Order: sequence, then C-alpha cells, then structure tokens
Amino acid sequence: TQLLEQSPQFLSIQEGENLTVYCNSSSVFSSLQWYRQEPGEGPVLLVTVVTGGEVKKLKRLTFQFGDARKDSSLHITAAQTGDTGLYLCAAWRNRDDKIIFGKGTRLHILP
Amino acid sequence: GAVVSQHPSRVICKSGTSVKIECRSLDFQATTMFWYRQFPKQSLMLMATSNEGSKATYEQGVEKDKFLINHASLTLSTLTVTSAHPEDSSFYICSATGTSGSTDTQYFGPGTRLTVL
Repeated sequence: TQLLEQSPQFLSIQEGENLTVYCNSSSVFSSLQWYRQEPGEGPVLLVTVVTGGEVKKLKRLTFQFGDARKDSSLHITAAQTGDTGLYLCAAWRNRDDKIIFGKGTRLHILP
Repeated sequence: GAVVSQHPSRVICKSGTSVKIECRSLDFQATTMFWYRQFPKQSLMLMATSNEGSKATYEQGVEKDKFLINHASLTLSTLTVTSAHPEDSSFYICSATGTSGSTDTQYFGPGTRLTVL
C-alpha cells in the first residue's frame, strides 16, 4: 500500500491560476518534505515542515502541515510556466529509518 | 551547502558490461546514503540504504548481486550495475543525510541516466 497518497497525479492549468496539491497518509510523521523535480534532474528540496499546523511560505508557494501531522498541502498562487515539474512529498518511515515518497504530482503550466 | 554530486550524469553501455556510478557529498559528511531508481514519469523507488563502513541494506525485490553498493567513506558511495541488460536502463539517483542541517532531510544528487543497448 502507498503510505503517502498524493493528489492530483496530473494537473494542467493556465498561467496565472492558483492550485493546491495534497499529500495524505494515515500515519503520523515527525516531519514531511516537499521536493520538485525537473526532467533529467534529481529532486530539489523545497521545504521541510515539522510542527503540526505549521505554514511555510516560499515566494508564491505555501506549504501547510496538518494539525495531526498526517497530511500536507502545497498551494501555488498565480502559477508560472517555470513552476512546471514533478512535485513529490516525502516522509521518514520511522520503523526502518527510510524516506518514502508519494507517487508525485506532475504539474504543467500552460502559457 | 549540502551538495551531492553524481558521476557520470549519463552513460551508455553494451549489454553484459558493468557500470559504476559514484555519489559524493561535497560539503558534508554523509552518514547514510540512499540509492533510488526512477522510471519515466514515475516516482522514486528506493533500492538500498548504505551506511559508511557497513553492508548496504537492500529493499525487497532488489538483487544485491546485481546492484553492488559500496560506501567506503563518509563522502562517497558507489553503485555498480553488474552485467547490465536493457531492462536495467533507468534514471538512478542517490541521496545523502548527515551532518549538514537537519538529519531528517535528504539531499539528492542530480541523477545518472543509464542506457543499456
């Protein structure tokens, strides 16, 4: 079973629109990370959220960690074509100290 | 800070040959390194975890004799794909955790695209 469920899997929207990507789980995590990956490159860390209810902003990107630390969201305001990429959420699996990834959200921003 | 490099970035080899991929942490000591495989348009699949000076721990379904991992120092881990076949063609990515920043955070290399003819 997929421990981290991301939705939507694919999203294609016009430049200037807003969007939200979700990462959900039935497990509680001590922290959760969001990454962005472009084709042919490794994932780049965007943010780590640690505290339940925490909100972090990175320019037009807003990340939120759920109060129960089971879910997270990424909201992009006024999307730009440069935001196109694969967005991955990830969290540590405590039982064996390994990071697990969601299946990713492939975002395509149309000019 | 927290830069991870991979070499080579791209490799093409003939079926039956072995290929070595290096993963280096450039500005921190990586106590743990991870190797992932990524198929087109899919997420990362963890292959193995390696700690410096000890044997790697492989995920279920990953052949340890096929994918040899060596973590000889705190800044270098290598993945050798032995007797490569076309089905081994993939994007291989390493990551590292260690003394830089939060130990909960992994830093990823840029990936190595392996094509086996």
